Amino acid sequence: AQSVAQPEDQVNVAEGNPLTVKCTYSVSGNPYLFWYVQYPNRGLQFLLKYITGDNLVKGSYGFEAEFNKSQTSFHLKKPSALVSDSALYFCAVRASMDTGRRALTFGSGTRLQVQP
Amino acid sequence: DAGVIQSPRHEVTEMGQEVTLRCKPISGHNSLFWYRQTMMRGLELLIYFNNNVPIDDSGMPEDRFSAKMPNASFSTLKIQPSEPRDSAVYFCASSRVDGNTIYFGEGSWLTVV
Repeated sequence: AQSVAQPEDQVNVAEGNPLTVKCTYSVSGNPYLFWYVQYPNRGLQFLLKYITGDNLVKGSYGFEAEFNKSQTSFHLKKPSALVSDSALYFCAVRASMDTGRRALTFGSGTRLQVQP
Repeated sequence: DAGVIQSPRHEVTEMGQEVTLRCKPISGHNSLFWYRQTMMRGLELLIYFNNNVPIDDSGMPEDRFSAKMPNASFSTLKIQPSEPRDSAVYFCASSRVDGNTIYFGEGSWLTVV
């Protein structure tokens, strides 16, 4: 079974400061890892993914995430937060070898609040 | 390009009524997913299809829920009879069979009173 843990229900950061949203995962074999963002009353929007290659992946809106296999983590980061980044962020995983099961397993979500 | 299109966006219905949610996946996508989002349980996979064939329906809560995909461009999720505990946001999502990224629709916000 695969699972994702997002240990923080909410992260508060001041505008202009760096932000980190944490994610750890459990999966058999190598993972495919994803971050999505959800704004109020909207669907989930894809931000970035790690499939293979460079452990640091860059995505939309200046976000990036670092894959750490030894720590089974995939933390989302941004050097300088904007008020408009305030939203609900989801980490998701699936096993790369499981071509028959393509659905993603999502974490519980972390609410990011950026204060002006 | 059009994204995943869901209808209705909002539905309020009375307990016991039948509810049908509809989804049009992104053109060319062969995998389709139905997820449910609630405050208590977060995002749960209900069912997903590859090439119109249901692959995994283990997340469907009970027999009151059914999903169909009669062709590559249309899917429905039906709840009959509906109950207040079915109140949630239901998301449809799609991806290419040989792709990794899943794209979500805007959701159908269901309230059963």
